[in-house]
Amino acid sequence: KNEVEQSPQNLTAQEGEFITINCSYSVGISALHWLQQHPGGGIVSLFMLSSGKKKHGRLIATINIQEKHSSLHITASHPRDSAVYICAVRWDRETSGSRLTFGEGTQLTVNP
Amino acid sequence: EPEVTQTPSHQVTQMGQEVILRCVPISNHLYFYWYRQILGQKVEFLVSFYNNEISEKSEIFDDQFSVERPDGSNFTLKIRSTKLEDSAMYFCASSWDAGYSPLHFGNGTRLTVT
Repeated sequence: KNEVEQSPQNLTAQEGEFITINCSYSVGISALHWLQQHPGGGIVSLFMLSSGKKKHGRLIATINIQEKHSSLHITASHPRDSAVYICAVRWDRETSGSRLTFGEGTQLTVNP
Repeated sequence: EPEVTQTPSHQVTQMGQEVILRCVPISNHLYFYWYRQILGQKVEFLVSFYNNEISEKSEIFDDQFSVERPDGSNFTLKIRSTKLEDSAMYFCASSWDAGYSPLHFGNGTRLTVT
């Protein structure tokens, strides 16, 4: 079964710390999404990657296709970054169509 | 920035009742999706919709579920006879293409079946 695994499940940091959240997946993908879920439940798309690296403000997302691994980094973390961060993948077109398969999410808490 | 809008934000219904969850996707998007998240669990795919028909559905999306795009703007999910296990947050999403552009999610409808 195609799986998406995230680590860690929970992460507590002090304001200003550099944060890394990891995502591994089992077979080939055509795209990987990083999403942020707020305490109220709403989901916001942060990045969509198929290769390389993307940066937006203090957020950086990287992907290594050969190793089937992606990381989300947050520089100079802030309490407002506290949320659940979710990795979701679109498997290669032949196997799964357009659906996304989600990881369990990483609960990030940044303390002042 | 354009948004995906979902209504209602919270719906409480009795077991066996029909519910309709409503979504207004971003206007120039072509692909529409429903996902759900049972409390404490990960988000799961239900169905994708393109060109006025279902393009893919999961094993969760059985005969009790249906989707419709009744006009040019609304996209609805109907659950015919709700069960307790249908209690979840339901997310609508839309995208410009089938997986190569970012997904835009609505804020979700929390469905509680009693």
